[in-house]
Amino acid sequence: QKEVEQDPGPLSVPEGAIVSLNCTYSNSAFQYFMWYRQYSRKGPELLMYTYSSGNKEDGRFTAQVDKSSKYISLFIRDSQPSDSATYLCAMSANAGKSTFGDGTTLTVKP
Amino acid sequence: NAGVTQTPKFQVLKTGQSMTLQCAQDMNHEYMSWYRQDPGMGLRLIHYSVGAGITDQGEVPNGYNVSRSTTEDFPLRLLSAAPSQTSVYFCASSSGTGNQPQHFGDGTRLSIL
Repeated sequence: QKEVEQDPGPLSVPEGAIVSLNCTYSNSAFQYFMWYRQYSRKGPELLMYTYSSGNKEDGRFTAQVDKSSKYISLFIRDSQPSDSATYLCAMSANAGKSTFGDGTTLTVKP
Repeated sequence: NAGVTQTPKFQVLKTGQSMTLQCAQDMNHEYMSWYRQDPGMGLRLIHYSVGAGITDQGEVPNGYNVSRSTTEDFPLRLLSAAPSQTSVYFCASSSGTGNQPQHFGDGTRLSIL
C-alpha cells in the first residue's frame, strides 16, 4: 500500500466552481504537508505549505489538514481556466525529501 | 532569479550509454533531491543530499549515482541506461533552516531506446 493516496481524477468543472482535491496518508511521522501545481511540461510549483492540523488560506486556495484522520484537502474557490493543471499533494517528516501522491488533473472549462 | 536550473531539457540515449543530468541552484540551499516522474504517477525520490559531501538513497536509487561536491550542484549519473529509466527527471532544493518546502526545476525529459 502506498504511503500517500490521492484521489485520481481527472476532474472537469465549469469556471467559477469550487474544487476539492484530497489525499490520505498512512505515515504518522509526516509533519509537513504541501500542495504543488504542475502545468504541462513544467516542474511542480509550490502552492500551499502547512505544518500540523488546521486550515491555511491564500487567496482562492485553502489547505486543510486533519492529522487525526490522516487526511488533507485543497479547496479552490471561483476556479478559473488558468487553474487547469495537475495538482500534487506531498508530505514529509523532515526537510529534503517528500513523498508525493500520484496527482489529480483538473480542467476548468470556460 | 534562476532558482533551480536543469540541463539538458531533453535527451535521447541508446541502451547502455551513460550520461549525467545537471542540476544547479543559486539559492544557497543545503538540501537537494532528485525525483523521477512517470506517466500518471507522482514523483519518486531517487537520491538526496543534506549538504556538500553528504548523499543518501531514496525510494528508487538503482542504476543512478550522485555526488555533491559543492552546495550549488547536484548531478545525477546514469551509469548504463536502460529503457526502464525513460522518464522525466526533476531536481529540487530547499533550505535546511526551518524545514522549508522544496523548489523544483523544470525537468529533463529522458528517452532510452
